[in-house]
Amino acid sequence: DTGVSQDPRHKITKRGQNVTFRCDPISEHNRLYWYRQTLGQGPEFLTYFQNEAQLEKSRLLSDRFSAERPKGSFSTLEIQRTEQGDSAMYLCASGGASSYNEQFFGPGTRLTVL
Amino acid sequence: DQQVKQNSPSLSVQEGRISILNCDYTNSMFDYFLWYKKYPAEGPTFLISISSIKDKNEDGRFTVFLNKSAKHLSLHIVPSQPGDSAVYFCAAGYNFNKFYFGSGTKLNVKP
Repeated sequence: DTGVSQDPRHKITKRGQNVTFRCDPISEHNRLYWYRQTLGQGPEFLTYFQNEAQLEKSRLLSDRFSAERPKGSFSTLEIQRTEQGDSAMYLCASGGASSYNEQFFGPGTRLTVL
Repeated sequence: DQQVKQNSPSLSVQEGRISILNCDYTNSMFDYFLWYKKYPAEGPTFLISISSIKDKNEDGRFTVFLNKSAKHLSLHIVPSQPGDSAVYFCAAGYNFNKFYFGSGTKLNVKP
């Protein structure tokens, strides 16, 4: 297993368009997190899945954002009607029972909204 | 509502010396703390963690200290190497559900 992967690595879109990102966690990991990171800041929590159940969602996540993890494996994060303020790095992380509280991050998807 | 703070945006250290990175938190419910290292254009890489039942955890050149009464943790790197130059984030959380990250400290280790 090569770790957490994310696709695409970069996305440029026009304001108002919808975008979808994919995250493939480490295969045996049942926990999956989405974060957003802007320049000069640390990762900001967006949402958390344990298997297919979405157990935690940040109040900062507007209703334009939705995340799914349909079979408890890969996850998608969709942003509808993108705004310029959505421009950021979107990071996915996963963790498993054997890694306790540790989270292993993917390389991120850089979103630019024009 | 920034629950984890790293008040030093940057730190410069000579190779071979000790690097000390600091982190403060406000939520007494946090029971697990992590340090990550991040290079440009990559996701954060896990370094070391500590549970709230401990006050010290050591892994090679990296040691994390936790002072619960002061709500403060620190990462010590001894000896520092040029390859350690990166941005370091501390994170805190509880019950696995979410983690709060500091804004990072950029460490520069000079040869």
